[in-house]
Amino acid sequence: QVQLQESGPGLVKPSETLSLTCTVSGGSISSYYWSWIRQPAGKGLEWIGRIYTSGSTNYNPSLKSRVTMSVDTSKNQFSLKLSSVTAADTAVYYCAREDSSGKVFDYWGQGTLVTVSS
Amino acid sequence: DIQMTQSPSTLSASVGDRVTITCRASQSISSWLAWYQQKPGKAPKLLIYKASSLESGVPSRFSGSGSGTEFTLTISSLQPDDFATYYCQQYNSYLWTFGQGTKVEIK
Repeated sequence: QVQLQESGPGLVKPSETLSLTCTVSGGSISSYYWSWIRQPAGKGLEWIGRIYTSGSTNYNPSLKSRVTMSVDTSKNQFSLKLSSVTAADTAVYYCAREDSSGKVFDYWGQGTLVTVSS
Repeated sequence: DIQMTQSPSTLSASVGDRVTITCRASQSISSWLAWYQQKPGKAPKLLIYKASSLESGVPSRFSGSGSGTEFTLTISSLQPDDFATYYCQQYNSYLWTFGQGTKVEIK
């Protein structure tokens, strides 16, 4: 059973860079696309971007200028960096796997709350 | 960008009721529509993919239909475990977007 676990600081100061890592266990990270999705408290879901194990990426145009994703296949991990954060970036951040069709998310991490505040 | 609009935003129902949630896309997305269930403090769970295909392990009381711009999620007989928020999600041109959610509450 594939499991995903997000990790990283729960508090980030405004204008700084949010950094999260997702560790995949119970299966290989290879040959799948991996996404980051966020959800502000009481609100809906926003797809941030995705990365393939080759390092190929696609980002949400609304966040593209601030997002960088990377992958470390040796550690079965992938990461998110979001720069110049503001209070509007406060949210629960999920990592998720796209299924083989690449159109839906079949495995999700439990989510991690990141608060942007000084 | 393709916008996804769900209705209603909130739905009050009783155990045993038949429940239908609608999701409309601002332009055609063929059948690239999925449904998720989310409970408080938990990650979303995939229920339906490609508009009408039931994810493995999901009870058969859940069904999906539609194509193009209009889609529905139906729960044939609402169970206590089904009270949750439901989201539709579309894929188009390397951008995934979600509806705003429908909260199914106990009547």
